[in-house]
Amino acid sequence: DGGITQSPKYLFRKEGQNVTLSCEQNLNHDAMYWYRQDPGQGLRLIYYSQIVNDFQKGDIAEGYSVSREKKESFPLTVTSAQKNPTAFYLCASSLPGQAIYEQYFGPGTRLTVT
Amino acid sequence: AQKITQTQPGMFVQEKEAVTLDCTYDTSDQSYGLFWYKQPSSGEMIFLIYQGSYDEQNATEGRYSLNFQKARKSANLVISASQLGDSAMYFCAMREGQRGGNKLTFGTGTQLKVEL
Repeated sequence: DGGITQSPKYLFRKEGQNVTLSCEQNLNHDAMYWYRQDPGQGLRLIYYSQIVNDFQKGDIAEGYSVSREKKESFPLTVTSAQKNPTAFYLCASSLPGQAIYEQYFGPGTRLTVT
Repeated sequence: AQKITQTQPGMFVQEKEAVTLDCTYDTSDQSYGLFWYKQPSSGEMIFLIYQGSYDEQNATEGRYSLNFQKARKSANLVISASQLGDSAMYFCAMREGQRGGNKLTFGTGTQLKVEL
């Protein structure tokens, strides 16, 4: 089945450690996105990539980094510079260009930093 | 200013009744798209319905319809014949313009609870 996988579902880290969240899709989508969701809030865009080897900052990119070396993969690294990293992280993908195409979301990773 | 406003943090509806979830938006673009997503307690986001700014007809998908009032900048979601499985968080989102990627701006959501 085609879809987006995010692993792990729950992740625990100590403060000061970098952590990388995985996102893989087999939908053959060019565009991929990372969102952050805090309790009771909507989703906020961290980074997005429209094509391999290219990505752009979203609204809240500070303290995060990404890479897009393969079409299928868009890992997100939460660095120690991110002041409040505990959140629910969602990865999405879509066809590029004209935005009648909805974004397909993965199941999310819940990150807790203590 | 908020680009997407959902003023109802929580809603209750009786099973089998219809419910309207409100969404207003703010944009100066002529071309934009409006989306509704459902987020069950498990966390995944499920696409429900899409309305383009140039679409003259209101979008419908099964029990979901979008009441699009362009002049009022509103895009309310109507769920007919509510089911217990409709209990979830619902998000309205907007994509502006035709350049800069398919970026979405989300509202803060409405928690819907369907009761027997």
